[in-house]
Amino acid sequence: NAGVTQTPKFQVLKTGQSMTLQCAQDMNHNSMYWYRQDPGMGLRLIYYSASEGTTDKGEVPNGYNVSRLNKREFSLRLESAAPSQTSVYFCASSAAVGNEQFFGPGTRLTVL
Amino acid sequence: GENVEQHPSTLSVQEGDSAVIKCTYSDSASNYFPWYKQELGKRPQLIIDIRSNVGEKKDQRIAVTLNKTAKHFSLHITETQPEDSAVYFCAASSGNTPLVFGKGTRLSVIA
Repeated sequence: NAGVTQTPKFQVLKTGQSMTLQCAQDMNHNSMYWYRQDPGMGLRLIYYSASEGTTDKGEVPNGYNVSRLNKREFSLRLESAAPSQTSVYFCASSAAVGNEQFFGPGTRLTVL
Repeated sequence: GENVEQHPSTLSVQEGDSAVIKCTYSDSASNYFPWYKQELGKRPQLIIDIRSNVGEKKDQRIAVTLNKTAKHFSLHITETQPEDSAVYFCAASSGNTPLVFGKGTRLSVIA
């Protein structure tokens, strides 16, 4: 089992460009999450999906959109990237909301 | 909503000494408290967790204690080793809400 996978691993964008970060899990988990990690700020929740067909905002949703494509896949889209969105992005999944989360390897995004 | 405070933000200990990291939470409905370890450039990984019906849990050199009355929980690492150097995150959840993470503690074990 691969667990939680993310693509790409690294990405450099120019201000105003758009991109989609992909996440997939093979653990048959119901819930999936997107976090950003900035130095000294810990892990901040952007959006989550408690189950297939639902999505909810987290602590820092502005500038992002998400799609729960199916039970396995949860994507994060930046429509118009800004330098403030330079960060490391982690996807995670869990059997249910509030349970142990398993994290993907992360995507390091730089917006110039 | 839930708020989790974690202290200290950095901690240096000599190899073989103990390390203690403390977290407080605000929501009395929280009942699940995991601890994650993140090595440099890697993903966070669960090292131990505790639920509100238990006061203490141990796994070899690590232990977590929970005080529901005071709304705080702590991670204890004994006989620290250089490979324990990492960033540690606490988190809390009420069970039907996502985990809320503390801001992390950077632990350095000096050989």
